[in-house]
Amino acid sequence: QQPVQSPQAVILREGEDAVINCSSSKALYSVHWYRQKHGEAPVFLMILLKGGEQKGHEKISASFNEKKQQSSLYLTASQLSYSGTYFCGTESPGNTGKLIFGQGTTLQVKP
Amino acid sequence: ETGVTQSPTHLIKTRGQQVTLRCSSQSGHNTVSWYQQALGQGPQFIFQYYREEENGRGNFPPRFSGLQFPNYSSELNVNALELDDSALYLCASSGGPSNTEAFFGQGTRLTVV
Repeated sequence: QQPVQSPQAVILREGEDAVINCSSSKALYSVHWYRQKHGEAPVFLMILLKGGEQKGHEKISASFNEKKQQSSLYLTASQLSYSGTYFCGTESPGNTGKLIFGQGTTLQVKP
Repeated sequence: ETGVTQSPTHLIKTRGQQVTLRCSSQSGHNTVSWYQQALGQGPQFIFQYYREEENGRGNFPPRFSGLQFPNYSSELNVNALELDDSALYLCASSGGPSNTEAFFGQGTRLTVV
């Protein structure tokens, strides 16, 4: 039931791009993305609703393919501040409010 | 700062004891969700409270229980503590039960010895 994230870890140089994928075996109502830095609380990035929408915030954007039950998070021109662990959380129809998180993708951006 | 505060920040308990964790939700929010996060893992959903009623529960035994108060703050109670209950407990406050941005508190680090 837990969504599967890939890759598990990625190391980038500043300015490089990254894609983090989130895949579920269940039908999805929405996908939430969070970033957590070591020793801190998870911080909300964005929510995507069914309907295949895309969202963006500065250089971080995401897509949601409802039919494939997949979402992808795109980080372009990465900055040192992007380092952390990224989690996708999924809500399924009939279980809205019950956010199930993936195991996380650790991103390290080096100068 | 999210405006969501949890107390205490750290706690050490002995196996078999009971513990109460507290969460103050952000102003204007009526929903609190609780999560357990083991080291190196994603948060696991325990339950959600919406307007003082439980509104969904994850795969946790009944010894995990909760409350939400009229001011929408919340408590998580765990009875008969086990060693595997050692984890970071996070609460998240939101303006509704689903489809909304959730603001997490800093968490309570519980160690069971």
